[in-house]
Amino acid sequence: EAAVTQSPRNKVAVTGGKVTLSCNQTNNHNNMYWYRQDTGHGLRLIHYSYGAGSTEKGDIPDGYKASRPSQENFSLILELATPSQTSVYFCASGDAGQNTLYFGAGTRLSVL
Amino acid sequence: GQQVQQSPASLVLQEGENAELQCNFSSTATQLQWFYQSPGGSLVSLLSNPSGTKHTGRLTSTTVTKERRSSLHISSSQTTDSGTYLCAIDRWGYKLTFGTGTSLLVDP
Repeated sequence: EAAVTQSPRNKVAVTGGKVTLSCNQTNNHNNMYWYRQDTGHGLRLIHYSYGAGSTEKGDIPDGYKASRPSQENFSLILELATPSQTSVYFCASGDAGQNTLYFGAGTRLSVL
Repeated sequence: GQQVQQSPASLVLQEGENAELQCNFSSTATQLQWFYQSPGGSLVSLLSNPSGTKHTGRLTSTTVTKERRSSLHISSSQTTDSGTYLCAIDRWGYKLTFGTGTSLLVDP
């Protein structure tokens, strides 16, 4: 069973502070994704990666950076957090050949 | 604009009743998937069905690609089926676009 682990599970940050959300997958998937989920919007794609060293912008990348230092790890970075970035963030991994994504448990971020 | 629309937004059933969830998408999709999200929890893939009809357990999905719609039928619902059902399409490059989901509550 594919395993995707996110940390932290909950985070409270102050406006203007830096926040790093981490994601680790142990299934050797090439593709990794960061989504945020908000009421009324569903899940929206922030950044994604096709492999170590690569990051691509998704549909709502503004205010976020991503880093993929290895096959297993994919981080989402908020350099200057704002209250509008309060949300639940999900990391996912997968390969095109599997025709599905495996999601982590989510990180609940509150920016005050 | 919204590329994936789901209906109904919410649904309440008595245990044992059947559910029919709808998904309409406005752009060409190379892949269509249904996910389940437990209350306050993560997402789990239920099935992938880009066209035709697929069955898994009590779930049946029918996708009519030309009409850009898909349905998910849940037979003999159980209280453990309560949660949110999300439809997602893959535009290209294996990036999924999600609908806002159908919230299902099954009462005992």
